[in-house]
Amino acid sequence: AQSVTQLGSHVSVSEGALVLLRCNYSSSVPPYLFWYVQYPNQGLQLLLKYTTGATLVKGINGFEAEFKKSETSFHLTKPSAHMSDAAEYFCAVSDNYKLSFGAGTTVTVRA
Amino acid sequence: EAGVAQSPRYKIIEKRQSVAFWCNPISGHATLYWYQQILGQGPKLLIQFQNNGVVDDSQLPKDRFSAERLKGVDSTLKIQPAKLEDSAVYLCASSESSSYNEQFFGPGTRLTVL
Repeated sequence: AQSVTQLGSHVSVSEGALVLLRCNYSSSVPPYLFWYVQYPNQGLQLLLKYTTGATLVKGINGFEAEFKKSETSFHLTKPSAHMSDAAEYFCAVSDNYKLSFGAGTTVTVRA
Repeated sequence: EAGVAQSPRYKIIEKRQSVAFWCNPISGHATLYWYQQILGQGPKLLIQFQNNGVVDDSQLPKDRFSAERLKGVDSTLKIQPAKLEDSAVYLCASSESSSYNEQFFGPGTRLTVL
């Protein structure tokens, strides 16, 4: 069975600073990995996904993530935070169709 | 392209009452999912439909929860009777097929059980 651990339930960054959200996974098969963002009172929106191929994945809104098999990690980064990045972020792992989500990391951005 | 629609957006009921949620997936999406998201946690899959058949309902508390997807389009999720611990956001998602396709999420229904 697959599972996801997100390190840090809350992250606070200054506008313009690096955003780093940590995700470690456990999977018995080669994983498909996802990052979703959830704005208040909205559903989840896909930021990026890793399936196969290049381990550095670029997504929307300037986010990217790197799949590191040796570390079983899929950390999400953005070089320069914007106020609009304030939201909750979920890492998820999939084997076939079933998504298993982490508990989420809430990002606040300080002006 | 219209997204996944859900209604109602908010619902407050008392314990032991019943409640129903409705979901209209993106047109043409064969797969539909219902998730439960408890405050402070990630979404948990309750049930997955492929067209109008159930693929996975292993996490659905079948003594009180039921779901159907008539004609392979709209879906309803029902809770009867509700318990306090059912307070959560219920998310509906859809995808083109069940295999690694992106899931598109609706805005959710926030249920409060008093």
